[in-house]
Amino acid sequence: NAGVTQTPKFRVLKTGQSMTLLCAQDMNHEYMYWYRQDPGMGLRLIHYSVGEGTTAKGEVPDGYNVSRLKKQNFLLGLESAAPSQTSVYFCASSYLSGGGYTFGSGTRLTVV
Amino acid sequence: GESVGLHLPTLSVQEGDNSIINCAYSNSASDYFIWYKQESGKGPQFIIDIRSNMDKRQGQRVTVLLNKTVKHLSLQIAATQPGDSAVYFCAEKGDDKIIFGKGTRLHILP
Repeated sequence: NAGVTQTPKFRVLKTGQSMTLLCAQDMNHEYMYWYRQDPGMGLRLIHYSVGEGTTAKGEVPDGYNVSRLKKQNFLLGLESAAPSQTSVYFCASSYLSGGGYTFGSGTRLTVV
Repeated sequence: GESVGLHLPTLSVQEGDNSIINCAYSNSASDYFIWYKQESGKGPQFIIDIRSNMDKRQGQRVTVLLNKTVKHLSLQIAATQPGDSAVYFCAEKGDDKIIFGKGTRLHILP
């Protein structure tokens, strides 16, 4: 089925550990986004990409890095995880800038 | 700067009644608005959108109204059903990205 796939779905990290979240889409979308969702905060944009090889900062980029080496994949990295990064992370993609996003099912990350 | 907010964090509606979820935005230059539905444990799903050159747009059981004068939009759900129980987000397009509001939880009363 076409869509956005996020891996892993759940992860527990210790403070200071690193990890990479993978987002893959098979809809040939140009634009991809990483959001985090915290209780009462809605969805906040971390980083986004407007095409293969490009990345840009969103509202809350600190502590995260991203890469878009292939059009279909958008990776979100945490170099040194902190408890403040405990959240649910959503990836989304769209064909047009700002147009109807397709979201993945989320990754629940807990940093202890 | 851009900001999108919702008036009520929780809305309780009797099953079968109509639901109205409101949203205010601050960027008068925004030209595209979207409503998303998020069910528990899932990612947001697109419901309906509207461009700034329109005042109203209808879908299946849903209607979005846009009032540019007061920078307000609303989502109306007709004949609310148990399956409508979710958090609803309004969002506005800013440059290459969409800015989301904090969300309103719709609770359906039996």
